Amino acid sequence: KNEVEQSPQNLTAQEGEFITINCSYSVGISALHWLQQHPGGGIVSLFMLSSGKKKHGRLIATINIQEKHSSLHITASHPRDSAVYICAVRPNTGTASKLTFGTGTRLQVTL
Amino acid sequence: KAGVTQTPRYLIKTRGQQVTLSCSPISGHRSVSWYQQTPGQGLQFLFEYFSETQRNKGNFPGRFSGRQFSNSRSEMNVSTLELGDSALYLCASSLDRNYNEQFFGPGTRLTVL
Repeated sequence: KNEVEQSPQNLTAQEGEFITINCSYSVGISALHWLQQHPGGGIVSLFMLSSGKKKHGRLIATINIQEKHSSLHITASHPRDSAVYICAVRPNTGTASKLTFGTGTRLQVTL
Repeated sequence: KAGVTQTPRYLIKTRGQQVTLSCSPISGHRSVSWYQQTPGQGLQFLFEYFSETQRNKGNFPGRFSGRQFSNSRSEMNVSTLELGDSALYLCASSLDRNYNEQFFGPGTRLTVL
């Protein structure tokens, strides 16, 4: 079993819909990252969370440390949100911990 | 402020050759991490460098190596290339080792024939 599981793997939505992507992890962590990857490969860091909730524009990320779960929400989705969304965690195993990635959620937003 | 740059962007090599990829972090960033992304394995951590020292290493064979220079620029080298080394190699920089936000470069797409 992977340390980081994402669901769904693929998601198709119509423009304007509210979207939720989930991430569950099995280890204690010091931080969780949400990343966005567009076709062509470029990765953008959306959020880094260690507790609570963060909002940036139409994007909201939440984390529940006790339940080892995080969600990424996109409100009023738009075709330009089409991308792969990747959850990554940094286990709290000390100074040598390294990012472990989920397999990603491929989002397609249509008109 | 310029972002993370990686050179070259695309590379084609044959089995058995070696390759060197370069990463220039954002000015002032001292930590550089390297990642490999393949369709089968997804994103995997390769190494992290800080102050010219390798601080962390992923589960890759010794054919994968790297270094960091005094200006924080980093290179990674893969020797004796195998077909399975075909991947997108991404580097990311952050301010320091306190697990700040990472900023990713555009990647180098390596194809091994």
